Amino acid sequence: ETGVTQSPTHLIKTRGQQVTLRCSSQSGHNTVSWYQQALGQGPQFIFQYYREEENGRGNFPPRFSGLQFPNYSSELNVNALELDDSALYLCASSPRGASRTYEQYFGPGTRLTVT
Amino acid sequence: KNEVEQSPQNLTAQEGEFITINCSYSVGISALHWLQQHPGGGIVSLFMLSSGKKKHGRLIATINIQEKHSSLHITASHPRDSAVYICAVGSGGTSYGKLTFGQGTILTVHP
Repeated sequence: ETGVTQSPTHLIKTRGQQVTLRCSSQSGHNTVSWYQQALGQGPQFIFQYYREEENGRGNFPPRFSGLQFPNYSSELNVNALELDDSALYLCASSPRGASRTYEQYFGPGTRLTVT
Repeated sequence: KNEVEQSPQNLTAQEGEFITINCSYSVGISALHWLQQHPGGGIVSLFMLSSGKKKHGRLIATINIQEKHSSLHITASHPRDSAVYICAVGSGGTSYGKLTFGQGTILTVHP
């Protein structure tokens, strides 16, 4: 069973540029959530995708957008990068079923640095 | 006031000591998660619980729904337990996946 993978591992971008981060969910998982973790802080929920539809969003501006593909992998896109976007971006997949509670399986994260 | 508060923020222990990390939350939850994050970023889920107590090896997690409080205990701590421990709550509802995180507790266990 393959775990959650993310690419790239590290990324350096310039303010104003656009970035795409990728996440491959664990086999059998149809739900992906994205989180932003600034240095020294706990992660913050960006949004969640379930069966290719956005299913909940945190307090992030529209320049943060995402996609989920038929194989349940996902992308996080950030436009017009700002210095404060520098953070570790984590994705987590889960097997959403009938139960309201389920474990999330985290990827290793992508470290984004905006200069 | 944050929705999820952890204490202490930093914890230093000697190998073999019993460790307790506390988490209080102010919102209704569907489940509470304890997570472990090592340097470099990777997060591992330790427990998910909505009532009572769970045990896995030297780790024990308890939750009191009425008091909105959870604790993570580590018995016979070891230097390899050094990591950031994060409490997160799931709110259920329409956003099943939305987790609200505490700021984490940095645990250092010295040999």
